Amino acid sequence: RKEVEQDPGPFNVPEGATVAFNCTYSNSASQSFFWYRQDCRKEPKLLMSVYSSGNEDGRFTAQLNRASQYISLLIRDSKLSDSATYLCVVNGGSQGNLIFGKGTKLSVKP
Amino acid sequence: GAVVSQHPSWVICKSGTSVKIECRSLDFQATTMFWYRQFPKQSLMLMATSNEGSKATYEQGVEKDKFLINHASLTLSTLTVTSAHPEDSSFYICSARRQGVLTLYNEQFFGPGTRLTVL
Repeated sequence: RKEVEQDPGPFNVPEGATVAFNCTYSNSASQSFFWYRQDCRKEPKLLMSVYSSGNEDGRFTAQLNRASQYISLLIRDSKLSDSATYLCVVNGGSQGNLIFGKGTKLSVKP
Repeated sequence: GAVVSQHPSWVICKSGTSVKIECRSLDFQATTMFWYRQFPKQSLMLMATSNEGSKATYEQGVEKDKFLINHASLTLSTLTVTSAHPEDSSFYICSARRQGVLTLYNEQFFGPGTRLTVL
């Protein structure tokens, strides 16, 4: 089982749509969880951390289920500018490093 | 937020040459820096962890003699790809970890990446 697994994508949605990404992780000892966004040929940028209580930042909502080792990201009222690859990231390597999922590509169309 | 720079942003070189990539934390001290590699349509894969003043820790399958890492100061880590070959062509990204109060939630800040093409 891969350490971090995500929906394969790509997700092609119209503007205004709501889209949800799912992610599972294998290391039950992981303590920190994140969603990063990566634009084509650019470095990843932190979108939001994910907390057990769930957290919301504008149109973005992240949820964590430790029992199921499952993380989700919900994007409401999607914009053209949301088009990117979304990376599910878990902190849990032996050096405290980040472990990245393969990413899910989102394409928002007019 | 904290700023991490990488230099160069892109490089094209001939097979057999060595390429040095610099990663700098510009406004904070980073005791730990990480080097990642990303091939097209693949996830970022950790290559090595670099701790200031000590030897780097390499991930399984990464040749330490080929990818030389030096972390001589709290703001600079370098990755040297020695005797580069076309299969080393990739996007190399560093990140720097700023120590926070809660070590489990240490933030990592990414450099803009270096795109290496070996002919």
